[in-house]
Amino acid sequence: SAVISQKPSRDICQRGTSLTIQCQVDSQVTMMFWYRQQPGQSLTLIATANQGSEATYESGFVIDKFPISRPNLTFSTLTVSNMSPEDSSIYLCSVGPQGMGIEAFFGQGTRLTVV
Amino acid sequence: GQNIDQPTEMTATEGAIVQINCTYQTSGFNGLFWYQQHAGEAPTFLSYNVLDGLEEKGRFSSFLSRSKGYSYLLLKELQMKDSASYLCAVAGGSQGNLIFGKGTKLSVKP
Repeated sequence: SAVISQKPSRDICQRGTSLTIQCQVDSQVTMMFWYRQQPGQSLTLIATANQGSEATYESGFVIDKFPISRPNLTFSTLTVSNMSPEDSSIYLCSVGPQGMGIEAFFGQGTRLTVV
Repeated sequence: GQNIDQPTEMTATEGAIVQINCTYQTSGFNGLFWYQQHAGEAPTFLSYNVLDGLEEKGRFSSFLSRSKGYSYLLLKELQMKDSASYLCAVAGGSQGNLIFGKGTKLSVKP
């Protein structure tokens, strides 16, 4: 299993500012995933963060808006840049599934409100 | 493309049984997961199926038919605390990630 500590748990931010979300995993993992969950919606993958290489972004998400760092195998950050009210969501980091029968684990989530 | 369908909402009575269906069409498949998510919280793991058939875990069971692209989650002896969203997710993303359905919001009533 994996325990993921994610912070902040929630924040209220002014439009035009940026927020950096941190995730710390209690074990070394190759890939970390960042998801967004808009109100009333399911989870949408933003990007995959691999240690030592550039993050891979999904369609509709760009590095300038959501820069990601992955300095080592236990830590990653996601920045939400130049925020607008449309960025109000829950942001979740995740590890896994890393193989057959291995579940995905999630951080506690960051509830972001942009005003 | 990638598509996972599940009902948006369901209502059931405390003590009853409810079945939440999920159909999927994905380019890859390394298993199907069910997660429970209470409002404002992160998803928590319920079950995993990679082979056809039924997996039982206490009050929760999950079924998979790979040929039909179909799964269901069965909840027995419903309790009020089972009121939550239930997410069907397929391990089939190009990065090894999960692809999620939109979730089924279950309301359990007395």
